[in-house]
Amino acid sequence: DAGVIQSPRHEVTEMGQEVTLRCKPISGHNSLFWYRQTMMRGLELLIYFNNNVPIDDSGMPEDRFSAKMPNASFSTLKIQPSEPRDSAVYFCASSRQAGGYGYTFGSGTRLTVV
Amino acid sequence: DQQVKQNSPSLSVQEGRISILNCDYTNSMFDYFLWYKKYPAEGPTFLISISSIKDKNEDGRFTVFLNKSAKHLSLHIVPSQPGDSAVYFCAASASGSARQLTFGSGTQLTVLP
Repeated sequence: DAGVIQSPRHEVTEMGQEVTLRCKPISGHNSLFWYRQTMMRGLELLIYFNNNVPIDDSGMPEDRFSAKMPNASFSTLKIQPSEPRDSAVYFCASSRQAGGYGYTFGSGTRLTVV
Repeated sequence: DQQVKQNSPSLSVQEGRISILNCDYTNSMFDYFLWYKKYPAEGPTFLISISSIKDKNEDGRFTVFLNKSAKHLSLHIVPSQPGDSAVYFCAASASGSARQLTFGSGTQLTVLP
């Protein structure tokens, strides 16, 4: 089992550019979560999918953020246009059932917007 | 408003001693609690959990205590080892919320050799 795979590991982009983060969940897991980690707020839930359907996107900070899950093995988080305050580590996690008896996290994407 | 709070951003402990990491929560609907450990450049990994029907859960050197009346939980590591140096996140979930995890802001534990 390769675990939750995120790409890229690091992304440096200029303000105003579009950024796309990618995630491949563990096969057989039917829930997928996108989190953002910052020093001030720790791990914040951005959006949560169950069986490829977005269930709760109340944590998405602004309309500049969007997420999709076109199939059970792939999800994207897009920021357009990106801003310096979006700089953070973005984690994807998956679980076998809908929620918090334990997630498996990916290694994260460190995003820097300059 | 943070529903899960870890008020100590950092903690340093001597090797062999006990490490105590604390976590407070405000949502009385939370009924399942977890601790995750995170090393640099890696994602958080599950460490130990406890259901609200219990007040203690032990796994080797790690013990989690839950005080429901105080809405407080703690993680004890005995004895602490240098390899335990990491960021520890407390998390909680409620049965009516599709069990989404709400995380605290984390505590950086440094175990000094």
